[in-house]
Amino acid sequence: SYELTQPPSVSVSPGQTARITCSGDALPKQYAYWYQQKPGQAPVLVIYKDSERPSGIPERFSGSSSGTTVTLTISGVQAEDEADYYCQSADSSGTPNWVFGGGTKLTVL
Amino acid sequence: QLQLQESGPGLVKPSETLSLTCTVSGGSISSSSYYWGWIRQPPGKGLEWIGSIYYSGSTYYNPSLKSRVTISVDTSKNQFSLKLSSVTAADTAVYYCARHIARVDTAMVIGWFDPWGQGTLVTVSS
Repeated sequence: SYELTQPPSVSVSPGQTARITCSGDALPKQYAYWYQQKPGQAPVLVIYKDSERPSGIPERFSGSSSGTTVTLTISGVQAEDEADYYCQSADSSGTPNWVFGGGTKLTVL
Repeated sequence: QLQLQESGPGLVKPSETLSLTCTVSGGSISSSSYYWGWIRQPPGKGLEWIGSIYYSGSTYYNPSLKSRVTISVDTSKNQFSLKLSSVTAADTAVYYCARHIARVDTAMVIGWFDPWGQGTLVTVSS
């Protein structure tokens, strides 16, 4: 089955830049999406189609893609950005299957 | 503003069928642009897509759950529902419903989930 791999944790100080990666064999052919989930809350979409930002999402959130790796970048990290972040993509090798990465815990030191 | 709300029993016995309903408000479930999906999250773990349905009744299911999952839609009530049979403790999770913005054709498969319902915890225990 198709898998997306994320680091379990990333730590940054306030004001610094956080980069969270997601790797998957199909990512050169498939878009990636990113969600932010705070404790006890539902996930919120922060990036779609690799690098598009939904309305209402701060400009400090950006996404990029290079080969089999996509990256969520949070510039000027704020304490409120501490959360779990999940990447998501699609597997089209057979019947369509939408897959999530294992999640990355972002800690703001 | 589109809102989704899950409802259903919070406790299900092992081997029985889990049943949940998602009520959509602020928009029509019959929109031709969207699918409607279910995603779950076991306590302390990551997200797992369960399946999605189009207003016409067309469905896609996670291959790992397909044999136990049925998703249906009731356009008259602006609702869609999930049934998961033969549940075990491993099915204990927060179950979310979400609008699934998806496109599936011979050239590509794309799709993302936005917005999500608040989620409902379902515990499988005797």
